[in-house]
Amino acid sequence: AQRVTQPEKLLSVFKGAPVELKCNYSYSGSPELFWYVQYSRQRLQLLLRHISRESIKGFTADLNKGETSFHLKKPFAQEEDSAMYYCALSPPMDGGYNKLIFGAGTRLAVHP
Amino acid sequence: NAGVTQTPKFQVLKTGQSMTLQCAQDMNHNSMYWYRQDPGMGLRLIYYSASEGTTDKGEVPNGYNVSRLNKREFSLRLESAAPSQTSVYFCASSEETGGNQPQHFGDGTRLSIL
Repeated sequence: AQRVTQPEKLLSVFKGAPVELKCNYSYSGSPELFWYVQYSRQRLQLLLRHISRESIKGFTADLNKGETSFHLKKPFAQEEDSAMYYCALSPPMDGGYNKLIFGAGTRLAVHP
Repeated sequence: NAGVTQTPKFQVLKTGQSMTLQCAQDMNHNSMYWYRQDPGMGLRLIYYSASEGTTDKGEVPNGYNVSRLNKREFSLRLESAAPSQTSVYFCASSEETGGNQPQHFGDGTRLSIL
């Protein structure tokens, strides 16, 4: 079964500390993987996607196919990073549509 | 720059009442989606529309119907609301179907059914 697991509901860190938001997935093929973020009183929005190999707002995510993980990392957390983070998986052209499977989300709280 | 607009933002219904949630996008996207989000869970796909004139079931379609009215608008209807449908509903759109297309989300509709 296709599934995305985010084991931590809440991650609390101090400003300047490193952050790692964990994401594990179960899928037999090679899915596309995304991180979406929802800041307070804002819409859910795309943060980054694996295919782009990009760093957004200092965040990076590395796909580890052996461990089926796509953890989100930032070396120095900022207070403005406080938000809800969702990992999502998209099977390649499953049924020909853009299907996203979301994890339950991790709330990141960065304290001053 | 509205993006995806959902109405209403909040609604309280009694069991058995019907309601339509509205969604419109101004990005000329072909594909649109309806999700629900329950406490402690990720978003789950209810229905989607790959293009104007087509709709298909997602993961949790029971109790819902949808209409892709035109390219801009995609509505979700609850014919006979049940307490189990209390949730936050999100509409989203993307340029095309395909695994790499990012989705753009609305603000959500918080629906309570008593």
